[in-house]
Amino acid sequence: QIQLVQSGPELKKPGESVKISCKASGYTFTDYAMHWVKQAPGKGLKWMGWINTYTGKPTYADDFKGRFVFSLEASASTANLQISNLKNEDTATYFCARNYGYDYLDYWGQGVMVTVSS
Amino acid sequence: DIQMTQSPASLSASLEEIVTITCQASQDIGNWLAWYQQKPGKSPQLLIYDATSLADGVPSRFSGSRSGTQYSLKISRLQVEDIGSYYCQQAHSNPYTFGAGTKLELK
Repeated sequence: QIQLVQSGPELKKPGESVKISCKASGYTFTDYAMHWVKQAPGKGLKWMGWINTYTGKPTYADDFKGRFVFSLEASASTANLQISNLKNEDTATYFCARNYGYDYLDYWGQGVMVTVSS
Repeated sequence: DIQMTQSPASLSASLEEIVTITCQASQDIGNWLAWYQQKPGKSPQLLIYDATSLADGVPSRFSGSRSGTQYSLKISRLQVEDIGSYYCQQAHSNPYTFGAGTKLELK
């Protein structure tokens, strides 16, 4: 069955970096793009961008340009999200989600809680 | 950016009741709209895509409709397992914005 399994929770200090992974199984990884979505505590969903898993080309929403990097380990069917120079407002759960059709999201990872606190 | 104005922000309904949630797009997005359900502490689940198409495995009591730039999600007979938050998402253009969400509770 199709699964997206994300890495575990992270506790970081402001200014540090974090790398979150999303391992896909049950389908051909390079056939479907991967999206990233942020959810701050008690808040709604915010689309961050997506990465073409065939070419490796990332596309970022404007609010996530600069400190956020999407990358792949295609041989391991894994997509990664790296956030540098962490800020308190980066405290959130980050989801990876598989692209379906015209940029809908059909399978989601379980989410990774990133807490940024001094 | 396309804004998705979702209403109501919260909703209390009884079992078997008909529930309707709406999203208003700030510009024409055609049928490029999805609805997601998120239960507390869980990941979102795709319910509806292309404004009216039911995703695999989703009960037929869920349906989507469109009137111009207004989109609606209808639950025909509310069940206890439908409690959670609901979000619309436009897939017309980058950034693929979500509505602010509707929290559905049991009365």
